[in-house]
Amino acid sequence: GAGVSQSPRYKVAKRGQDVALRCDPISGHVSLFWYQQALGQGPEFLTYFQNEAQLDKSGLPSDRFFAERPEGSVSTLKIQRTQQEDSAVYLCASSYGRLSYEQYFGPGTRLTVT
Amino acid sequence: AQRVTQPEKLLSVFKGAPVELKCNYSYSGSPELFWYVQYSRQRLQLLLRHISRESIKGFTADLNKGETSFHLKKPFAQEEDSAMYYCALRRGQFYFGTGTSLTVIP
Repeated sequence: GAGVSQSPRYKVAKRGQDVALRCDPISGHVSLFWYQQALGQGPEFLTYFQNEAQLDKSGLPSDRFFAERPEGSVSTLKIQRTQQEDSAVYLCASSYGRLSYEQYFGPGTRLTVT
Repeated sequence: AQRVTQPEKLLSVFKGAPVELKCNYSYSGSPELFWYVQYSRQRLQLLLRHISRESIKGFTADLNKGETSFHLKKPFAQEEDSAMYYCALRRGQFYFGTGTSLTVIP
């Protein structure tokens, strides 16, 4: 079966532009996570969905970051007015249940803000 | 607050030598700890978790609550073990360390 997919794989944005990053989780997975991974760092939690409900958005660095999962499947992470410090790999992961420990990661979207 | 520390950014060992990747955590409760691995040009994937106390690909990790450590060990390193390794703690959300890049020299 298909794993978690993310698109685009690479995105170059000029400072000030808005970007939208898409995540297609594994079918049937209830939980969905977004992470930001800066160069040389580990993944840092951004936000968590259980079905369509965003249960934790404590990791979103500013109000320029917004995530949604309206039908409990595909999720979009939107960054408004991108800044250079937003340059990173954005990882999406899904897991089967609310308490599942195993997350399945997507390939990531590498965002470069120039 | 930093909850997971991996003190070594880079680690090189010779094939057949023992390897230990260090992980320390800060958490006062009962931690749920994991090791994730990312092979070259592959996705981040779960290697093992402390609760299962299993050996995966020859790797084991023991939780030491006294030292707040969860080091990953393998007695005889193989070339295919070369990868990026991340220690992670789950407390609601997951907290990842900064990772250790392991290179096994043939």
